[in-house]
Amino acid sequence: DTAVSQTPKYLVTQMGNDKSIKCEQNLGHDTMYWYKQDSKKFLKIMFSYNNKELIINETVPNRFSPKSPDKAHLNLHINSLELGDSAVYFCASSQDLEGKSSDTQYFGPGTRLTVL
Amino acid sequence: AQSVTQLGSHVSVSEGALVLLRCNYSSSVPPYLFWYVQYPNQGLQLLLKYTSAATLVKGINGFEAEFKKSETSFHLTKPSAHMSDAAEYFCAVSILTGGGNKLTFGTGTQLKVEL
Repeated sequence: DTAVSQTPKYLVTQMGNDKSIKCEQNLGHDTMYWYKQDSKKFLKIMFSYNNKELIINETVPNRFSPKSPDKAHLNLHINSLELGDSAVYFCASSQDLEGKSSDTQYFGPGTRLTVL
Repeated sequence: AQSVTQLGSHVSVSEGALVLLRCNYSSSVPPYLFWYVQYPNQGLQLLLKYTSAATLVKGINGFEAEFKKSETSFHLTKPSAHMSDAAEYFCAVSILTGGGNKLTFGTGTQLKVEL
């Protein structure tokens, strides 16, 4: 029974294309996140949504656009893909009761994006 | 700004030996600290977290970590390494920002377990 799922697991595409990665959580959590892990395994937050509202937007090119149709889903759309976008993208979710930063974030299995 | 530093990008131990992975934090407020493990080609799994309830935190798979304020450290230990412990380990600090919280990760430590 997968808690946080992502599709696809692998994505290989050409420079300049537009692609989307989907994320779903069945934990009933209010907050969802996108993280990027580069080739050196460094993890950095990109976005966070709480109840479909964008609350964290790190310094990410505006080619990246998250969309949350409901609080169980957070998709990531990337326009005009560049070589430097190649990375593993992780979705995560947490309950995030107001004022609590101790809540555990649960991660999906990741999507490995390769831009050729 | 809050941050964590992991000392040693690669650690190698023999099976049955003590595992010690180091993490130091920098924070102007009491931090919430986490250790996550990432097995090859998988997502991150929580090992344990410090939320100020107790300084010695026990996690899954026999791991534990001790919060030491005087040393600003949160090192991860396991008394006896097993081959299945080989993975990438990440220390992280949680930061509450304007209604949301985000994890700031260290650079990771790759643990290798040898026979």
